[in-house]
Amino acid sequence: DAGVIQSPRHEVTEMGQEVTLRCKPISGHNSLFWYRQTMMRGLELLIYFNNNVPIDDSGMPEDRFSAKMPNASFSTLKIQPSEPRDSAVYFCASNRDGNTEAFFGQGTRLTVV
Amino acid sequence: GEDVEQSLFLSVREGDSSVINCTYTDSSSTYLYWYKQEPGAGLQLLTYIFSNMDMKQDQRLTVLLNKKDKHLSLRIADTQTGDSAIYFCAEKGSSGSARQLTFGSGTQLTVLP
Repeated sequence: DAGVIQSPRHEVTEMGQEVTLRCKPISGHNSLFWYRQTMMRGLELLIYFNNNVPIDDSGMPEDRFSAKMPNASFSTLKIQPSEPRDSAVYFCASNRDGNTEAFFGQGTRLTVV
Repeated sequence: GEDVEQSLFLSVREGDSSVINCTYTDSSSTYLYWYKQEPGAGLQLLTYIFSNMDMKQDQRLTVLLNKKDKHLSLRIADTQTGDSAIYFCAEKGSSGSARQLTFGSGTQLTVLP
């Protein structure tokens, strides 16, 4: 298996633009997580899905952030409009119910200028 | 909600032992994890321990769990420069929306020659 695949690996955008981050979980995994990592706040859970349904989005910072999971093999995290303080590395992770380990993608490094 | 805390930085000399500490608040934790993040990469599971164990050893790694004090530690024997990375402690609860892992902020381990 190729593991969790995220795209793009790097994104540089101007303040106010819309940004879409993409994630393909490992086939057969039914839970998907979006995390944000910054120097100041460490690793934060933004939202997680189980069987394509958002279960807990309490970590989503504000209305500018939205996430979707239209099917079991694809999820997006969208920021509109983006701001410089959104600059961070965004990780997607997946696992299967009953398994102990979550598998992480390589992350998307977002820079908003 | 659940909380996991770690110190941010640790420096050791090559060949010495490293001990990374973590405290957590969720008394219903079922599994506790150590993840490793190398520069520019996602998190990878290093080892984990079930909550009814108090120690687990895997080659150079020793995990100690004090469930009464809610304290977890990771000891790396004969630390090498390749061990330089960020180490994340994480815990998983037993029910409800605790399917997600709660991560600490990560400890940056620097191994000095």
